[in-house]
Amino acid sequence: NAGVTQTPKFRVLKTGQSMTLLCAQDMNHEYMYWYRQDPGMGLRLIHYSVGEGTTAKGEVPDGYNVSRLKKQNFLLGLESAAPSQTSVYFCASSASLSRGFEQYFGPGTRLTVT
Amino acid sequence: SQQGEEDPQALSIQEGENATMNCSYKTSINNLQWYRQNSGRGLVHLILIRSNEREKHSGRLRVTLDTSKKSSSLLITASRAADTASYFCATEQGAQKLVFGQGTRLTINP
Repeated sequence: NAGVTQTPKFRVLKTGQSMTLLCAQDMNHEYMYWYRQDPGMGLRLIHYSVGEGTTAKGEVPDGYNVSRLKKQNFLLGLESAAPSQTSVYFCASSASLSRGFEQYFGPGTRLTVT
Repeated sequence: SQQGEEDPQALSIQEGENATMNCSYKTSINNLQWYRQNSGRGLVHLILIRSNEREKHSGRLRVTLDTSKKSSSLLITASRAADTASYFCATEQGAQKLVFGQGTRLTINP
């Protein structure tokens, strides 16, 4: 069981470039999440998915798009990167949170936009 | 805006002492969870307490929840160097989402 994996681990982009972050989970979880974490801050939810083919906006969705074409994968896209998107990005998955299940986190992707 | 606010933002204690962190939130919740984050790593779930529970234990961890005050505390007893990490509370409000606090940075000095 690999749990939650993220690729890539590090990336440097120039302003205006695009990229896609991949998250994969092998726990058959319905729910998947993308967060960003900035220095000294907690996690802020970007987008999430409650099942294959569904996505929803979180707290800070602007500048990001997501897709959940397969249950095990959740992709986060940056169409035109900006320096404000320099951050560490975490993916997480869960069975039902409201029924008391926890989130499992990936190791993170450190993104720098210059 | 983040719902959880944690206090203190940073805590430094000697190995063997107890560490207490507090979390306050604003709206009603289904459950509250605590996570640990070691430097440069993803978050790891520690313990969950449901809204109808007042106290829960797991090993050296004790969590309390006071829904009337909208607050929770995490106590780590007999701290060890390996407990050095950031600790986050997260609340679940019925929308299959967690709202995280800003965290407490705990340093255990040998």
